[in-house]
Amino acid sequence: DIQMTQSPSTLSASVGDRVTITCRASQSINNWLAWYQQKPGKAPTLLIYKASNLQSGVPSRFSGSGSGTEFALTISSLQPDDFATYYCQQYSNYPYTFGQGTKLEIK
Amino acid sequence: QVQLQRWGAGLLKPSETLSLTCAVYGGTFSGYYWTWIRQPRGKGLEWIGEINHSGSTNYNPSLKSRVTISVDTSKNQFSLKLRSVTAADTAVYYCARFVVRGVIGMDVWGQGTTVTVSS
Repeated sequence: DIQMTQSPSTLSASVGDRVTITCRASQSINNWLAWYQQKPGKAPTLLIYKASNLQSGVPSRFSGSGSGTEFALTISSLQPDDFATYYCQQYSNYPYTFGQGTKLEIK
Repeated sequence: QVQLQRWGAGLLKPSETLSLTCAVYGGTFSGYYWTWIRQPRGKGLEWIGEINHSGSTNYNPSLKSRVTISVDTSKNQFSLKLRSVTAADTAVYYCARFVVRGVIGMDVWGQGTTVTVSS
């Protein structure tokens, strides 16, 4: 299985901050990576697909980058609605695997 | 607007079979992989497996010996069966749609069903 490692596990930030979450794959996954946002008690929602493509309806303050084994999700200016847990997921090889999650907290 | 609605038993005893169904409303059934994911309380996401409209499946090897995913295209439904459950299978179970065209990922999710395994 491909291991996905996110960092940090927890991130404390303020409204208006620019934040970056990284995701590393244990082997190359080209650009077959998605980012999801999950709020407590809710299903995840798709933010970014194929590493850098913004899903329809997602605010442009979210962006994704990377290829191969190193990826990043950046939020350019944090809004109150962005405090949530974020997961990366590879869909290069079966079984599809997720990172352990990054909880974005209000500082 | 595509919606996924799921149902199934929420409380099981060890060794029983978990059975969940997800119905797809408001969209086509073909051209996607229909997926099951689970999340133990307070933990991360685990991909269980997927099926397309033709019945082609892919499973997580960690669960493959106990899992069956099936599809009923006449009802636009897909189902999950997980045999011989233990407390380790206690989790919220989600159904989701994986977009094959453009390889977008899972763009529509159901609300999640809490399944508890306890004697």
